Amino acid sequence: EDQVTQSPEALRLQEGESSSLNCSYTVSGLRGLFWYRQDPGKGPEFLFTLYSAGEEKEKERLKATLTKKESFLHITAPKPEDSATYLCAVRSNTNAGKSTFGDGTTLTVKP
Amino acid sequence: DAGITQSPRHKVTETGTPVTLRCHQTENHRYMYWYRQDPGHGLRLIHYSYGVKDTDKGEVSDGYSVSRSKTEDFLLTLESATSSQTSVYFCAISENRASITDTQYFGPGTRLTVL
Repeated sequence: EDQVTQSPEALRLQEGESSSLNCSYTVSGLRGLFWYRQDPGKGPEFLFTLYSAGEEKEKERLKATLTKKESFLHITAPKPEDSATYLCAVRSNTNAGKSTFGDGTTLTVKP
Repeated sequence: DAGITQSPRHKVTETGTPVTLRCHQTENHRYMYWYRQDPGHGLRLIHYSYGVKDTDKGEVSDGYSVSRSKTEDFLLTLESATSSQTSVYFCAISENRASITDTQYFGPGTRLTVL
């Protein structure tokens, strides 16, 4: 059974204070690992897909990295508008039609 | 933004009544999904469809049924709603082809309250 664990559950940062969110996973053959951002009252918004260990992707202040057991979402010099819940999900090669989601990390950035 | 709409966006109903939620897409994507999101449980897959009239169960399918008679529409039905089905329901779509990223794109959600 695929599993995804995200930590911490909640993270409070000062504006400009860089940090990282963790996504640990177990999957029978990784097809892809996905990061989403979710604002209150809205659906998840796609950020990144990572396919293999060592892969990195960046978008503005966000950088996602992947190893064989976990992924990190690094946030550099965050701004209040980065406040949201960040979700991680995995898809396996044996069950390509389904994604398994973590419970998310809620990030709050104070000005 | 992916062309996904959900209706209704909010619904309050009573225990024992049937409820149908609709997801409509304009992207012509093959795969469509229904998830529920509850505090402490993240997003959990209810059912998904891999084509017209082709559906499969997810991890929390009990009490739910789905239908897909057209590529663009995916319906989720609660035959007899219970209070445990109070949740936010999200529809998602994906192309899911091997040569193209099979990213899921989500709709805006439906907040369902069962009294």
